[in-house]
Amino acid sequence: DTGVSQNPRHKITKRGQNVTFRCDPISEHNRLYWYRQTLGQGPEFLTYFQNEAQLEKSRLLSDRFSAERPKGSFSTLEIQRTEQGDSAMYLCASSPNRLAQETQYFGPGTRLLVL
Amino acid sequence: DQQVKQNSPSLSVQEGRISILNCDYTNSMFDYFLWYKKYPAEGPTFLISISSIKDKNEDGRFTVFLNKSAKHLSLHIVPSQPGDSAVYFCAASNGGATNKLIFGTGTLLAVQP
Repeated sequence: DTGVSQNPRHKITKRGQNVTFRCDPISEHNRLYWYRQTLGQGPEFLTYFQNEAQLEKSRLLSDRFSAERPKGSFSTLEIQRTEQGDSAMYLCASSPNRLAQETQYFGPGTRLLVL
Repeated sequence: DQQVKQNSPSLSVQEGRISILNCDYTNSMFDYFLWYKKYPAEGPTFLISISSIKDKNEDGRFTVFLNKSAKHLSLHIVPSQPGDSAVYFCAASNGGATNKLIFGTGTLLAVQP
């Protein structure tokens, strides 16, 4: 399977705990995106990487959130001191960065439940 | 401010008939539009896209129409099949440095056998 992969698929944690999610983009895709989707809403942009550089962060990404893409391949999204409002589906997407207009391909997502 | 709007939360269609899903946007800088299909507990799957320089794009049973003056696009599915039942999201991008997508809230399509 050469699509975007995300791990874990599901995570249940207690309020105040830290969680980390991983995304492996499609091979050779330079652009990587994180989105968050809550019930009844469309995905909302969180942050964007071009290779290893984090070029944009949404105001939705509070100080408790940090994302990395250390070698320009896989990416991690960490949430510190989780809150119940962090419960959502976290989606990762990638695209090649060859065209000005490009399709983003999404992974299966990580569903987070904060108790 | 919701820049991309899907005003119909749900749509029910008979198998074999046409499904028409609508999307409106407010930002005239958007230049690329996409439709994604999403099943529960899965990520969005890309269906079809259209550049702002075109007014129609067709791929098999799926056709997207863009009316720039009305800031409106629609997805036509003909003929509709039960396997098309899912949530459909409209998304838009204004390119730039990030090419990030702005999504609508989705329309749940139910195709009745």
